[in-house]
Amino acid sequence: QVELQQWGAGLLKPSETLSLTCVVYGESFGGYYWTWIRQPPGKGLEWIGEINDRGSTTYNPSLKSRVTILVEASKRQFSLKLTSVTAADTAIYYCARYDGSNSFDYWGQGTLVTVSA
Amino acid sequence: DIQMTQSPSSLSASVGDRVTITCRASQSISTYLNWYQQKPGKAPKLLIYAASNLQRGVPSRFSGSGSGTDFTLTISSLQTEDSATYFCQQSHSSPPYTFGQGTKVDLK
Repeated sequence: QVELQQWGAGLLKPSETLSLTCVVYGESFGGYYWTWIRQPPGKGLEWIGEINDRGSTTYNPSLKSRVTILVEASKRQFSLKLTSVTAADTAIYYCARYDGSNSFDYWGQGTLVTVSA
Repeated sequence: DIQMTQSPSSLSASVGDRVTITCRASQSISTYLNWYQQKPGKAPKLLIYAASNLQRGVPSRFSGSGSGTDFTLTISSLQTEDSATYFCQQSHSSPPYTFGQGTKVDLK
């Protein structure tokens, strides 16, 4: 069984940097893409980006200039940084595993990040 | 980006009803289509992958079909615990992977 647990600051001021970390328990960390997805309150889901255990990344072009995803495979962790946040970045942020069936099969519990002055 | 459009945006049905949700892609995505169920305060849960494959542990009353641009999620006999929001998601070719806007299913 796979479990993803995430943590990070939940309240930010405009222009600050969002920072979240996700740790993976259970099956192999290698061989998958580890992703971040966000959901503004009451709205739909937006894919932010992904990383594999070797550090290869792909980002959503809409956020690419502000996003960095890093991995520490030895700790089975990956992280998200989003710079220069605004109120539009207020959302629940999820980490998830992208598996061989091209789907997100395991998810973290979600972290509500609120951006407010 | 590939746009995903779901319909309806919400529906109300009774226990035992057959429920159908549709998802249309802005271009052909073969069968690279997944369905998720999300309950309030919870992360999405994978129900169907590759258009028609039931994820382990998901009840058999859920089924998916379609290919190309048009897809369907069917709940054959709606149960109380199926009250949730359902999202489709495409994973065709390279990212960004995109989601439909969601369909909220309520019990009458």
